[in-house]
Order: sequence, then structure tokens, then C-alpha cells
Amino acid sequence: DAGVIQSPRHEVTEMGQEVTLRCKPISGHNSLFWYRQTMMRGLELLIYFNNNVPIDDSGMPEDRFSAKMPNASFSTLKIQPSEPRDSAVYFCASSFSGNVHEKLFFGSGTQLSVL
Amino acid sequence: QKEVEQNSGPLSVPEGAIASLNCTYSDRGSQSFFWYRQYSGKSPELIMSIYSNGDKEDGRFTAQLNKASQYVSLLIRDSQPSDSATYLCAVMGTGRRALTFGSGTRLQVQP
Repeated sequence: DAGVIQSPRHEVTEMGQEVTLRCKPISGHNSLFWYRQTMMRGLELLIYFNNNVPIDDSGMPEDRFSAKMPNASFSTLKIQPSEPRDSAVYFCASSFSGNVHEKLFFGSGTQLSVL
Repeated sequence: QKEVEQNSGPLSVPEGAIASLNCTYSDRGSQSFFWYRQYSGKSPELIMSIYSNGDKEDGRFTAQLNKASQYVSLLIRDSQPSDSATYLCAVMGTGRRALTFGSGTRLQVQP
């Protein structure tokens, strides 16, 4: 398996622009997570899905952020409008939610820079 | 109080020594505990998981869990320069299906 695949690897945009990050989880995994990592705040959970349904979006910073999972093999995280404080590395991760002992596998991340 | 706390380091050890990394957590009902390693510019990768009190060994790595003290540790024996990375402690809290991560401890192994 190719692992969790994220695109793009790097995104540079200007403040106010819309940004869309994409993720393909590992085949067979039924849980998908979006995390954001910054030096100041570390790795923070934004939202996670189980069987394509959003379960906990309490980590989504504000209404500018939205996430979708239209099917088991694809998810997007959208920021509209983007702001400089959104600059971070955004990781997508997936797991098989068969029991409480879930092991999480991360994608390579998207380095987002908002100018 | 943060849910998962780690000393940010850097923790510097000489090559061949034992590196000891520590983590405390606030949710007493937590059941699953993980250690991830993250090289600079890379994504976190799972190196150890532990679910029961006591020690769990895997090669040069030993994870230790003490639920009464809400404490998890990772020992790395015979440390190598290639072990230089940030080590993230992650905890599955009560009733949750997502991991909460500590801020990580940066380990430097000096050749």
C-alpha cells in the first residue's frame, strides 16, 4: 500500500485566497484525521471522520475551515479565506477503527504558507 | 494544564548511552498510549504502543506505563545519531477515538 497520500506537498498563497488540501487514506482504513502542526502549538487535531461521517470537529479553529469526506478514499480540508496565522503543516492520518487500540498512520503533510 | 505534557528538550546524550523520554497525561481513564518519532521536515511515525501497566520492549526501545502515576516513558538503549529526532507522546483519552499529542521532546545523540 502507498500509505496516506496528501497533496499538494507545499502551498504558498496570499491572504484571502481559498486553499484546498487533499488526502487519500490507506485502503481499508475507516477513520481519517486532519491535524495541524506549528512550533507554538504542536500537533493539534482539527477534525476526524469515521466511516466518512464527521465525528468531532471541535478542533476546527473557526468557520473559515471546512472539511469533507465524500467517500472512503478521499477527503478535503478547505480554508476560505486564508490568513497568515493559518501557516502550518497540515497532516492527514488514517487508521482502522476496529477497537480502542487504534494505530495512526500519517501522510507526508502539506506545508502551507499564507503571505 | 495540558492534556499531554512533555519536556521540549533538547535532550542531549552521547552515542551508546540510554536516552529516557518522559510524558505525563491528565485523563486518568486513558487506555492507549503511543510514541511517535518525527524527523525534521517529515511526518510522525509510530515506534511503540503500550496499553497495560509495566514495560514493553521492542528492539532497542522500551516503553513504560504507570497508569496510577499517569506517566509514560520511552527508553532508547544504545542511542545512535540516527535516533536524533523529536519524540511525540500520544494518548487516546476516555471516550475518544482520536489521539492527543504532546508537544514533543527533541533528542540529540552526539557521535
